[in-house]
Amino acid sequence: QSALTQPASVSGSPGQSITISCTGTSSDVGGYKYVSWYQQHPGKVPKVIIYDVSKRPSGLSNRFSGSKSGNTASLTISGLQAEDEAEYYCASYTSIRTWVFGGGTKLTVL
Amino acid sequence: EVQLVESGGGLVQPGRSLRLSCAASGFSFDDYAMHWVRQAPGKGLEWVSGISWNGGSTAYADSVKGRFTISRDNAKNSLYLQMNSLRAEDTALYFCSREGGGTHFDLWGRGTLVTVSS
Repeated sequence: QSALTQPASVSGSPGQSITISCTGTSSDVGGYKYVSWYQQHPGKVPKVIIYDVSKRPSGLSNRFSGSKSGNTASLTISGLQAEDEAEYYCASYTSIRTWVFGGGTKLTVL
Repeated sequence: EVQLVESGGGLVQPGRSLRLSCAASGFSFDDYAMHWVRQAPGKGLEWVSGISWNGGSTAYADSVKGRFTISRDNAKNSLYLQMNSLRAEDTALYFCSREGGGTHFDLWGRGTLVTVSS
């Protein structure tokens, strides 16, 4: 049950696009469509922003998008805004019927 | 209002036990699988345990297997986590979370803090 691999940090300027990767194995990310992404602001509760690899919850901005290729999932945020600055986590269902999170990526909006 | 409210956290000595509770309201609790997710201070999210809608299936992270037990009481709209043989590394904010559509965590409580220290 090793954590999924995410970059520790990414940054971008307002209006730019950034992509956060999430690498697992064929037993988790690569084997299922159950990859989700969570945004957590400091001191706040995590909030799902992408589920089933690329679906957005109702009402969420279409600036957030998700994709997957092989064992790596990706979250792209376009048109960066100051309020996007937060920690982002990926998660996946696994072949042993557990769940695993990524280590988290801190997004800094310059 | 749709919400999850955790309770039962606190300061406990290593080796002792603690039972967390999560009260659900505003939705049909027994329609959903439920989970516990924790976050150590300044660290990332770690999935701890999950339970099916009827309690018939449970799963645990290796880090807690054999020490923690998840359960639920659908009549009381409540989720529980019995934590035994607690270790310093179990110190974390414990979140209760609902599994939406069987594929993600779509509702989270505010968490209850567990501190394991002598």
